Amino acid sequence: AQSVAQPEDQVNVAEGNPLTVKCTYSVSGNPYLFWYVQYPNRGLQFLLKYITGDNLVKGSYGFEAEFNKSQTSFHLKKPSALVSDSALYFCAVRGPKRYSGAGSYQLTFGKGTKLSVIP
Amino acid sequence: ETGVTQTPRHLVMGMTNKKSLKCEQHLGHNAMYWYKQSAKKPLELMFVYSLEERVENNSVPSRFSPECPNSSHLFLHLHTLQPEDSALYLCASSQVTGEGETQYFGPGTRLLVL
Repeated sequence: AQSVAQPEDQVNVAEGNPLTVKCTYSVSGNPYLFWYVQYPNRGLQFLLKYITGDNLVKGSYGFEAEFNKSQTSFHLKKPSALVSDSALYFCAVRGPKRYSGAGSYQLTFGKGTKLSVIP
Repeated sequence: ETGVTQTPRHLVMGMTNKKSLKCEQHLGHNAMYWYKQSAKKPLELMFVYSLEERVENNSVPSRFSPECPNSSHLFLHLHTLQPEDSALYLCASSQVTGEGETQYFGPGTRLLVL
């Protein structure tokens, strides 16, 4: 079965500094990887995904993620953190196809990493 | 968050009450999902509907009863819940594409069971 690990419960970074939120995964077959962000009292917002192609994926709000197959990692990065980036970040991996039709791929989420950007 | 809406946003209910959560997606998707988000735990997939047919039920207690009357609407009917059912309930939708499915989430319903 597929799994996702986010080794850090919390990451603190100063505003203007680069940030990294770590994610490692385990899945059979080709990995399809996702990052979501959750602001307080809100649902999850899609940031970016890796399907195939370039190992560096660019997403919303200036975020990017680097896929590393040998290390089975998909770390989220941003060159310069903003206070407004403070939120809960979730990494997810798509599992294998379970049945035909829509909804046939299911996501397995990590426990989340709380990012705090300090002014 | 106008793509997927959920009502109510907050709900307090007693263990003997019956209530329903509503989800509506405006994205033209053909799959919808219910998730449970509890503190300190990963998101738990509860139900999946594909083209209005339930295709997944992840061992969810029968006090949770989903309903999908059409491809845009999803309900979660609740009855005789337990305090441990207090959580954020998230609805999501997706559309099959050649690059795989991205799930889009609603804002959630914060449920408190007393």
